[in-house]
Amino acid sequence: QQPVQSPQAVILREGEDAVINCSSSKALYSVHWYRQKHGEAPVFLMILLKGGEQKGHEKISASFNEKKQQSSLYLTASQLSYSGTYFCGTEKNNDMRFGAGTRLTVKP
Amino acid sequence: EAQVTQNPRYLITVTGKKLTVTCSQNMNHEYMSWYRQDPGLGLRQIYYSMNVEVTDKGDVPEGYKVSRKEKRNFPLILESPSPNQTSLYFCASSLGLVGYEQYFGPGTRLTVT
Repeated sequence: QQPVQSPQAVILREGEDAVINCSSSKALYSVHWYRQKHGEAPVFLMILLKGGEQKGHEKISASFNEKKQQSSLYLTASQLSYSGTYFCGTEKNNDMRFGAGTRLTVKP
Repeated sequence: EAQVTQNPRYLITVTGKKLTVTCSQNMNHEYMSWYRQDPGLGLRQIYYSMNVEVTDKGDVPEGYKVSRKEKRNFPLILESPSPNQTSLYFCASSLGLVGYEQYFGPGTRLTVT
């Protein structure tokens, strides 16, 4: 099953913070986060692995709660360039499942 | 430049006319996959390939075929397209799956009338 993301959409002013959540009904080996701007391909943000390892951009932070099968992406001091749709992806048995996405809009 | 390329970028076709969307990567990646993106549903995996001659079904494989004869290429074949296959398609590649970022192609917008 697809992971469930919340909220579906969020609107921020520049400088505000946001949290995007991702949860799965199945045990997770890792969680991927990607951002997609309108009309473009998804772009990698971060991977969180079981056991605590993280790979990704320095300015993005995220958490991975293996027991709760949840991950959260933290966007602090948001900038206009943060606008886009954020997807979490979970991998198991060599296949990849993405959530439906969270649309983030940052306004001046 | 490291990249994933897809062709064509836009395609309008009619029901039942076989078509192929090509995907190629120049990063020597083992893992490649196809996704379709529909409003409100996010990205859904169609097929993936762990290596040459190794392919497997993803979440929504019905109506699609793939092949992986060479490491760099992973074409998506629609033998008899139907209107419900109208969608935005992305090809992606990565060194592996567990713990590796995926690189996405620019997308192919397919309309089946």
